[in-house]
Amino acid sequence: DTAVSQTPKYLVTQMGNDKSIKCEQNLGHDTMYWYKQDSKKFLKIMFSYNNKELIINETVPNRFSPKSPDKAHLNLHINSLELGDSAVYFCASGYLANYGYTFGSGTRLTVV
Amino acid sequence: GESVGLHLPTLSVQEGDNSIINCAYSNSASDYFIWYKQESGKGPQFIIDIRSNMDKRQGQRVTVLLNKTVKHLSLQIAATQPGDSAVYFCAEGLNNDMRFGAGTRLTVKP
Repeated sequence: DTAVSQTPKYLVTQMGNDKSIKCEQNLGHDTMYWYKQDSKKFLKIMFSYNNKELIINETVPNRFSPKSPDKAHLNLHINSLELGDSAVYFCASGYLANYGYTFGSGTRLTVV
Repeated sequence: GESVGLHLPTLSVQEGDNSIINCAYSNSASDYFIWYKQESGKGPQFIIDIRSNMDKRQGQRVTVLLNKTVKHLSLQIAATQPGDSAVYFCAEGLNNDMRFGAGTRLTVKP
């Protein structure tokens, strides 16, 4: 029943590893997002996809690569993880031009 | 109780009192403003929104006020309850791009 589901909820990994976070929404929304929340709770947009097309691509290191196989899924792959990548990553979905997004419960990434 | 958002990230109020959370937004061209609530361990949850052509909108126990002259947004919560304890974010939207403010932590004392 979960509207926006992310997996895994927790991810602990070593520097230099490659990891992926998956996101799925069952709300029929046409747009999906990835946000990063730092230790001070600041939420920063990373990427946005509308109907599988990238529409927002913030200045994020190219080690981060989003992939949207269909409009219900938006995955985030991170190469060569660094300590500074430790954060909570939130997936969200919504309708384009409607800002009432539905967020997932987050993935807490810890790089050691 | 009242906060100034970016400068006072913590607001503590007594249960039953009204709360006012303030936010200064950055882009005068933003055409949509939203308040989100984030409880511990959860993602942000939409509370209420307002378009730039309005200056006030009311929901259930919440009211959002917009002052475009000074680029200021506020969220008023009536009769604050323990379940209102959370971090509150204002966000501004333009061209399908939504940017969040820094957030204010609201703590409700019984």
